Amino acid sequence: SQQGEEDPQALSIQEGENATMNCSYKTSINNLQWYRQNSGRGLVHLILIRSNEREKHSGRLRVTLDTSKKSSSLLITASRAADTASYFCANNNAGNMLTFGGGTRLMVKP
Amino acid sequence: DTGVSQDPRHKITKRGQNVTFRCDPISEHNRLYWYRQTLGQGPEFLTYFQNEAQLEKSRLLSDRFSAERPKGSFSTLEIQRTEQGDSAMYLCASSLAGADEKLFFGSGTQLSVL
Repeated sequence: SQQGEEDPQALSIQEGENATMNCSYKTSINNLQWYRQNSGRGLVHLILIRSNEREKHSGRLRVTLDTSKKSSSLLITASRAADTASYFCANNNAGNMLTFGGGTRLMVKP
Repeated sequence: DTGVSQDPRHKITKRGQNVTFRCDPISEHNRLYWYRQTLGQGPEFLTYFQNEAQLEKSRLLSDRFSAERPKGSFSTLEIQRTEQGDSAMYLCASSLAGADEKLFFGSGTQLSVL
């Protein structure tokens, strides 16, 4: 079973729009990470936010973390068709493994 | 640095057969992880190694599953007496201890048990 949940499970937007995905988790964390997965491929690390950080940016990505609510969000601005993929949050809870959520399947229509 | 490589990419087997998968991590990474992923779900942790030592194993992992990392480099994951429920993508990842556990994933081995 997975420790986190992501919302929505699926998201369909037009190219140029922003996409927001949310993630909730259950235990205290050292950091929270977001990964992307294209169909049938392995996961690629996108961005990491530490438990003492509230917001982080990387290119068109913006991640927020609210440890009081045990939640995080990933915002992709000015989406492109190439952003079509599944996005997963994963938390590191002081152990040596990441626990992944169920993912959000994003489709960006050209 | 060629990234994490997994072999084979696809495996089709009959129920009851044994299968073995191989993972070659990024050369300087001392941690290696195996995850399993079914369609529409996130990766589920199976086991992890630091160097050659297997330090953690999921309680969900059946006794039919065994993993090794004999020289602290490549790893193998064996499934004995496969069942249809073992059909999944098996993902390997590696990381450098102390580097925030940012994982680098291989492309996975897709197992189909008929």
